[in-house]
Amino acid sequence: GAVVSQHPSRVICKSGTSVKIECRSLDFQATTMFWYRQFPKQSLMLMATSNEGSKATYEQGVEKDKFLINHASLTLSTLTVTSAHPEDSSFYICSAPLASSEQYFGPGTRLTVT
Amino acid sequence: GENVEQHPSTLSVQEGDSAVIKCTYSDSASNYFPWYKQELGKGPQLIIDIRSNVGEKKDQRIAVTLNKTAKHFSLHITETQPEDSAVYFCAASKGGAQKLVFGQGTRLTINP
Repeated sequence: GAVVSQHPSRVICKSGTSVKIECRSLDFQATTMFWYRQFPKQSLMLMATSNEGSKATYEQGVEKDKFLINHASLTLSTLTVTSAHPEDSSFYICSAPLASSEQYFGPGTRLTVT
Repeated sequence: GENVEQHPSTLSVQEGDSAVIKCTYSDSASNYFPWYKQELGKGPQLIIDIRSNVGEKKDQRIAVTLNKTAKHFSLHITETQPEDSAVYFCAASKGGAQKLVFGQGTRLTINP
């Protein structure tokens, strides 16, 4: 299957700072990527759809000014958690779809805000 | 919008037995139904998928069935092995690069 990478895999930051997470499609181009958040023992919650060359589309209840998304190229999308607080601690996962519908997920980024 | 319900939330089976996980969806426009396996601390891994023009698909010990009329689809794992222990998620989408709507997940435990 296709490969999607995320960096970093783990990050610990202090409250009030910003953190950037990168999502890359390694062997295919993706005009669309998705960002999810997952709490322990829960399902994946879609946060936003990242669109190459245009603004991201955010799901209801997700603060666009807090979770900044930039789809810089056909293989890279970034999620920046601004002014992070302990309640932002979570597992963040990105995915990228192939034109044939299959979506491949990155390995996830564990964010801990102290 | 689409709503996907998944059952059971936990499933424990003896090694070698079969496991079945069921999902229902609400939007008849959905036409793509993947299943993901997620191990602790990792991202979901696509294990099998089915499109609405197909009723059943099999890949070695894993099979998926789809009933479009009833709007439900199921994952079947035969001859289960300890490495099958994980959380399994079903999902639905309208295909292409459309967003996935996930079920709540099933924690599968294979007992040796």
